[in-house]
Amino acid sequence: HSALTQPASVSGSPGQSITISCTGSSSDIGGYNYVSWYQQHPGKAPKLMIYDVSNRPSGVSNRFSGSKSGNTASLTISGLQADDEADYYCTSYTSSSTVLFGGGTKLTVL
Amino acid sequence: QVHVVESGGGLAKFGGSLRLSCAASGFTFTDYYMSWIRQAPGKGLEWVSYISSGGSTIDYADSVKGRFTISRDNAKNSLYLQMNSLRVEDTSVYYCARSLRWPNAFDIWGQGTMVTVSS
Repeated sequence: HSALTQPASVSGSPGQSITISCTGSSSDIGGYNYVSWYQQHPGKAPKLMIYDVSNRPSGVSNRFSGSKSGNTASLTISGLQADDEADYYCTSYTSSSTVLFGGGTKLTVL
Repeated sequence: QVHVVESGGGLAKFGGSLRLSCAASGFTFTDYYMSWIRQAPGKGLEWVSYISSGGSTIDYADSVKGRFTISRDNAKNSLYLQMNSLRVEDTSVYYCARSLRWPNAFDIWGQGTMVTVSS
């Protein structure tokens, strides 16, 4: 399995919405509803934002939402805030019983 | 307070070994799958291995299979990663993480421990 494909960077202005895509295959994203998303600020440990495609852990803002269509998962952040500027990673379970991460997307809030 | 703390990182030579530990507290350790995830300097995240709550189910990334061994001691609320035949490309921050839900909902992360492999 190769790493899941994410755009290297996305940007948006405060208050806007952005979407980060994560493309895999039928052996990972397309085959299972086990997609999670993580936010990582510089020098910090990652934080779980979405799991099982669209579920938010307790304490995560409802501005963050997840979805999946075929072999592509998406993370949408609405009402963009300065603190949302971070790296975002998707992950999926695979048919090899392993976990695969995406390459990461750097979100810049303009 | 729920947290996990990694230790055991450091400098190792190519072909050498290190053993990482992760001490868990503030939750019922035996209820959760645990994983190791690593991040090379300036790079993205890479899942390394997971182990089920009772230790019976284990899996590894292809990049470490046959060289790394994950284990846990539920009596000590501890997770371990034995790393043998180390390579320069194993140089990373290694994170211990709890799984809120199997297989990849990692909700509690440690601060990480740095492993540097020199040639």
